[in-house]
Amino acid sequence: DAGVIQSPRHEVTEMGQEVTLRCKPISGHNSLFWYRQTMMRGLELLIYFNNNVPIDDSGMPEDRFSAKMPNASFSTLKIQPSEPRDSAVYFCASSADYTGELFFGEGSRLTVL
Amino acid sequence: AQSVTQLGSHVSVSEGALVLLRCNYSSSVPPYLFWYVQYPNQGLQLLLKYTSAATLVKGINGFEAEFKKSETSFHLTKPSAHMSDAAEYFCAVTRNYGGSQGNLIFGKGTKLSVKP
Repeated sequence: DAGVIQSPRHEVTEMGQEVTLRCKPISGHNSLFWYRQTMMRGLELLIYFNNNVPIDDSGMPEDRFSAKMPNASFSTLKIQPSEPRDSAVYFCASSADYTGELFFGEGSRLTVL
Repeated sequence: AQSVTQLGSHVSVSEGALVLLRCNYSSSVPPYLFWYVQYPNQGLQLLLKYTSAATLVKGINGFEAEFKKSETSFHLTKPSAHMSDAAEYFCAVTRNYGGSQGNLIFGKGTKLSVKP
């Protein structure tokens, strides 16, 4: 079975541009998470969906960030406009149950110049 | 509020030596606890998890961890380090959503180096 699939793997953009990161969770998983990883702050939860409904978005840094999950097999994380401080690796993870076992994608490395 | 603290951002051991990575947690309710491993340029993979069954949990690649409620600890060990164990290790605890576990709160991570 395929794991969590993220795209793009690498994105380099200029400040002010819109960035869209994509995630396909593992089929049958009903929870989806977006995390951001930086050297300074480690792994931070941005938003968490359960059955396509956002449950907790308290980690979304500001209004420039938005996330959607239109169906069980697809989610997007959008940054508009992007800023250099958004440079990080963004991970998507999915889970089948409430025990907390998450399956991570390989991440999208974002560099904002 | 739940949290985890990993002692030591970087641990270095010799090949064949004992590996000990420390994790202490804070939780107002019985926690679920996890150790994840991250190899360079990859996502995190589950090593092992504690979900209130046996306090000594065995995971993949010869790792194990012991849940000690009295010490609020969940340290990760491996008797004999291998070069392939070099990676970053994260301890995590669940956060409750209305009584149901879901999201994980991660520690800052510990980078393990293994010397030949």
